[in-house]
Amino acid sequence: DTEVTQTPKHLVMGMTNKKSLKCEQHMGHRAMYWYKQKAKKPPELMFVYSYEKLSINESVPSRFSPECPNSSLLNLHLHALQPEDSALYLCASSHGGGPVEQFFGPGTRLTVL
Amino acid sequence: AQSVTQLDSHVSVSEGTPVLLRCNYSSSYSPSLFWYVQHPNKGLQLLLKYTSAATLVKGINGFEAEFKKSETSFHLTKPSAHMSDAAEYFCVVSSLAGKSTFGDGTTLTVKP
Repeated sequence: DTEVTQTPKHLVMGMTNKKSLKCEQHMGHRAMYWYKQKAKKPPELMFVYSYEKLSINESVPSRFSPECPNSSLLNLHLHALQPEDSALYLCASSHGGGPVEQFFGPGTRLTVL
Repeated sequence: AQSVTQLDSHVSVSEGTPVLLRCNYSSSYSPSLFWYVQHPNKGLQLLLKYTSAATLVKGINGFEAEFKKSETSFHLTKPSAHMSDAAEYFCVVSSLAGKSTFGDGTTLTVKP
């Protein structure tokens, strides 16, 4: 299996809702990443997990809460989001945490009303 | 510190003609460089990578890139464009800690 899967594909939520994004890979990768991508812009790194520990947090607001329950699974918990948080959220994984190829999922298109 | 500059925000070519997407980088160490492609509403796919081996790197779908340290460049080329090449292309430099810095992207349009 050489895929990174993300669920849901689309999510619409209100500013008071709590929701979660899920990412899964079965390639034995030990680093996983969350990116946010606005339209016509490059992906912006949010979080990096290396060996299930948070190694990079790019000063992301606390309304985004990452979780790595095991080496195959990465979640992003969302609470009290703002309309400007609407974006494509991409998950990626890699063999290690260094300068190596990242494998990207198809993303979750999030709309905050 | 590291940075990437993609010199063209849009490139338009005719099908069957060569493609050149330009990328300059800045890095305080020997860089790892990547080109990714993103089709509309899709995730990113790796085209090729440079990690201090051969300076001419061959990738998927006929793409290749040449690492030129003296010019701090990593331009992406393809001899003959295909309609399916129309997409967004990102040049990326990665730090030793695995933090990736993306260029702003180049939109490639292929005309029939």
